[in-house]
Amino acid sequence: SQQGEEDPQALSIQEGENATMNCSYKTSINNLQWYRQNSGRGLVHLILIRSNEREKHSGRLRVTLDTSKKSSSLLITASRAADTASYFCATITGANNLFFGTGTRLTVIP
Amino acid sequence: EADIYQTPRYLVIGTGKKITLECSQTMGHDKMYWYQQDPGMELHLIHYSYGVNSTEKGDLSSESTVSRIRTEHFPLTLESARPSHTSQYLCASTDGGKDTEAFFGQGTRLTVV
Repeated sequence: SQQGEEDPQALSIQEGENATMNCSYKTSINNLQWYRQNSGRGLVHLILIRSNEREKHSGRLRVTLDTSKKSSSLLITASRAADTASYFCATITGANNLFFGTGTRLTVIP
Repeated sequence: EADIYQTPRYLVIGTGKKITLECSQTMGHDKMYWYQQDPGMELHLIHYSYGVNSTEKGDLSSESTVSRIRTEHFPLTLESARPSHTSQYLCASTDGGKDTEAFFGQGTRLTVV
């Protein structure tokens, strides 16, 4: 990927467990965003964290950002079967273009 | 629900045909994008536009072309489709600011036979 790599590529957990996905990026950023994609659909924005922020919460989502390590993590707490989807991190470069990571496929087993 | 629409959702077409994938948004966004998504999920930026009469190539070379005659409309055209063009094409828009989210259409799954 030009900008990001995500880890793991695929994750399978039981309903109720927490899911953690990691994203590493290559260049300096203005912000980092996480998106969700249901199978065969477009992406939906979940959360944005600015480069001067370290942690952000939104409902069951918690995002951290470490600019010194050029990495971010997305934690989904108390997962549900409906959380099954692919999750992507995205960074905005100086040209204000969004570049996406390789994605993590999350499967939540009921 | 995002106000950005792509048509068709699915298209199966023969090699050598000319096709246009439509993308329209009603949010008044200046910045629009086309991404190609391969089966391994990675999204590649193939075209973007800053506004009317602006078109730029993305990081992945593509044989497709785009136009931006109206703010709300950003169609993608393939003059002569080939099997290698088989992919999912996603259109997106933003208001162009730094701390702005992207809104995506539902995608067009193109199969060239």
